Amino acid sequence: SQQGEEDPQALSIQEGENATMNCSYKTSINNLQWYRQNSGRGLVHLILIRSNEREKHSGRLRVTLDTSKKSSSLLITASRAADTASYFCATSGGSNYKLTFGKGTLLTVNP
Amino acid sequence: DAGVIQSPRHEVTEMGQEVTLRCKPISGHDYLFWYRQTMMRGLELLIYFNNNVPIDDSGMPEDRFSAKMPNASFSTLKIQPSEPRDSAVYFCASSPRLALNEQFFGPGTRLTVL
Repeated sequence: SQQGEEDPQALSIQEGENATMNCSYKTSINNLQWYRQNSGRGLVHLILIRSNEREKHSGRLRVTLDTSKKSSSLLITASRAADTASYFCATSGGSNYKLTFGKGTLLTVNP
Repeated sequence: DAGVIQSPRHEVTEMGQEVTLRCKPISGHDYLFWYRQTMMRGLELLIYFNNNVPIDDSGMPEDRFSAKMPNASFSTLKIQPSEPRDSAVYFCASSPRLALNEQFFGPGTRLTVL
């Protein structure tokens, strides 16, 4: 299975701090994506990083990918209370483009 | 433009009853996915369609589950008969191109089987 595993399972920080979440996976990938899920809602795509990319930025988000370690990290800078949500990494690879999701990291940003 | 639409948003039924979940993907998206989310197992892909044709149903747990996509704007996921262990949130997602892989999720249907 190439399922991603997020770490930590839960993270609690104060508003204004940075939040870092990690994802590890098992097999080679075509790309890795990060999604956010607010409580009771569907997932929202945040950012996609291809296997030949090492770092990508989008607003306050920074994603890194280390294919040699089969790991990725998501950094949210200057966090806000509205960033409180679960964050999932999802991988796809080989000839099968299905996305496989991890169990997620629950981020709580305290005002 | 409206996003992915799912109905109903909540469904409570009794064991043994038939349950039908509905999804309208974003217009112009060629791919449609059905997922199930539980605390224990996380988010699992059940089946996905390309241009209304089922491509991979290996995630469908049992023969009690079936999915159809009669046209580009409508899909159903049916459970017959339902069991308490089917209780979960079911998401539909669509994507314009599989290779790009960004998926757009609906709000989900929370199913409770008593």
